[in-house]
Formats: sequence, C-alpha cells, structure tokens
Amino acid sequence: QSVLTQPPSASGTPGQRVIISCSGGKSNIGSNTVNWYQQFPGMAPKLLIYRRNQRPSGVPDRFSGSKSGTSASLAISGLQSEDEADYYCAAWDDSLNGQVFGGGTKLTVL
Amino acid sequence: QLHLQESGPGLVKPSETLSLTCTVSGGSISSSDYYWGWVRQAPGKGLEWIGSLGVFYSEKTYYNPSLKSRVAISADRSTNQFSLELTSVTAADTAVYFCAGEDCTLTSCSADYFDYWGRGTLVTVSS
Repeated sequence: QSVLTQPPSASGTPGQRVIISCSGGKSNIGSNTVNWYQQFPGMAPKLLIYRRNQRPSGVPDRFSGSKSGTSASLAISGLQSEDEADYYCAAWDDSLNGQVFGGGTKLTVL
Repeated sequence: QLHLQESGPGLVKPSETLSLTCTVSGGSISSSDYYWGWVRQAPGKGLEWIGSLGVFYSEKTYYNPSLKSRVAISADRSTNQFSLELTSVTAADTAVYFCAGEDCTLTSCSADYFDYWGRGTLVTVSS
C-alpha cells in the first residue's frame, strides 16, 4: 500500500490531453513539492517534474505539474505514442522523514 | 553529467546480507552539489525509496522507516562510490535496485528527488 495514491491506469488518444492524479496527505503533498517520474519497461525512472513544476533539460513542455492541497496532478498535452509508460508521483513526507512514492499509473496511448 | 553504475551479487540467500555498490563518475560524491540514494522495484511493482545520503552534509542519512532496522547506506570517498547494505533478507527483498543522485548544483539540496539514475541491478533472494 503506497503512501501516495494514483490510479493504476490511464489512457488517451494521440493529441489528447491526459491528466494523472496523485493523492496524499498533509505531511507529504500538503507540505512539500511533488515530483513526477516516467518509466519505460526495463528502464530506470526518468525525472519529469520537480520543485514546483520545474522540468529537467530535455523534458518537453507538454508535461506539466500542479498541486492543490493534498493532491497533485501531471498533465500531458498533445499526447504522443512515445508517452506510453508508467508514471510515478513522489514527495517528501515530514512524518516519515523520507521520500514516498505513488503506486504508479500505466498510461496507454490508444 | 553524472553517470551511476550499480554492482553486486545478483543472488543472495535468505537471512544473509545484500550488499550493492554504486560507482559514480562525472562528479565527486563528496561534493556539496549532490545527494545520493537507493530505490528498489520488486518485479511488476512500483518504486520504493530505500534511503538517501548526503556525503558532504556530515554524511547525513535518511532511511525508509519500514527498512530502517535492516539498512545502511555509506560512502567511500577514495573510490567515489556509495553502498547499500540490507541485512536479514527474505524473498520480499527480491527487486531491481537502482542507485540514484540529486544534482543540486544550481540550488540547495533537498533529498526529495533524483535526477540521475543507474540502470538498475536485479537482486534475487533465494536459496
């Protein structure tokens, strides 16, 4: 059971805008920034969003993050077939004094 | 540009100690510009943070509370490596183990994300 809750799956068609949600609590999302990772099968995770919607170099601006209260979301606009991957949210948890991850969302591009 | 590479046994017997090393190139593990850590992923499951280490920051460590009694992360400045030890392993510890790093060159380290990752190494716990 993950501390952060994500839907197990999401889907969209090419060009569509897809939103993946991440729900937590006061000690994690409610108090700290939310980070997002993309992971392809058999590969290491890749940081997509960090520190209040910052994107590492090379990450397209089609990816954006937002937060409201104890929930966060990752938006992917102009969905492309190569976006089909697993997506994880993560945050620091002040009560656990460590990082916590969501269970991951498998995104399918139809 | 950091490069991280995990190494260690791919098979560990139950009740024994899992030991992995992460070799870092492209930056010094002792630098104030980095924080280091380990994340694992059981087969078909999600990511689980194991712990983090700030070598420059008095070797400050943070551990996942669920693993804290069994885990230790340490650094070897002479070889530019950091290591993971997980004691008393069971089949539930079978996973791909990733070493990772936070590059805080342009900002303060927060230990709450990783922007550099190794490729991961599968460790199976079995007799």
